[in-house]
Amino acid sequence: GAVVSQHPSWVICKSGTSVKIECRSLDFQATTMFWYRQFPKQSLMLMATSNEGSKATYEQGVEKDKFLINHASLTLSTLTVTSAHPEDSSFYICSARPGTSGPYEQYFGPGTRLTVT
Amino acid sequence: AQTVTQSQPEMSVQEAETVTLSCTYDTSENNYYLFWYKQPPSRQMILVIRQEAYKQQNATENRFSVNFQKAAKSFSLKISDSQLGDTAMYFCAFTSGANSKLTFGKGITLSVRP
Repeated sequence: GAVVSQHPSWVICKSGTSVKIECRSLDFQATTMFWYRQFPKQSLMLMATSNEGSKATYEQGVEKDKFLINHASLTLSTLTVTSAHPEDSSFYICSARPGTSGPYEQYFGPGTRLTVT
Repeated sequence: AQTVTQSQPEMSVQEAETVTLSCTYDTSENNYYLFWYKQPPSRQMILVIRQEAYKQQNATENRFSVNFQKAAKSFSLKISDSQLGDTAMYFCAFTSGANSKLTFGKGITLSVRP
């Protein structure tokens, strides 16, 4: 149980274009989903928290107009990187949290490697 | 604000031996949750073990166990009978649940030698 999928697993796009990444909880309903960015050999950096049906909460320093997050249902959240540039190249990971009470663990998707050329 | 510290960047252990990974945290909360996540070369984050702060008993999951010292704010992970598949980056994480965010440590790279 508690499986989270992410699509695509790998994407290459040209500078200036937009890319959408999907995150789905397959066997549970996720009231809250999270988006992280990770550089090689480093920890996860939280970008934003999204709750179903409401606007995402972005971490300080994350451009909300560049990283658009939509959490349209209890099983799907999307991250759209708009007008991507080479510095946006990274590994993006989503996670989902079932329920609204403890112990608050998050289940992670397999990640998406984005390369902007 | 909560902080999680993993001071050892790398460790190595011989297959079948036991290794302990250290983690300390800082919080003013009384009720919170601690986790260890594993990230193998595939980069899929996997929940290894969880500990609720209000529980005095240390959590155990097969070969994985924790030593939770609430007063010292320490949460170490012991891996017994290490296997080659345990080679991964391990992250200690904290949440108080109030806003559901996980605070991660910097991680430790564990290599299991055959």
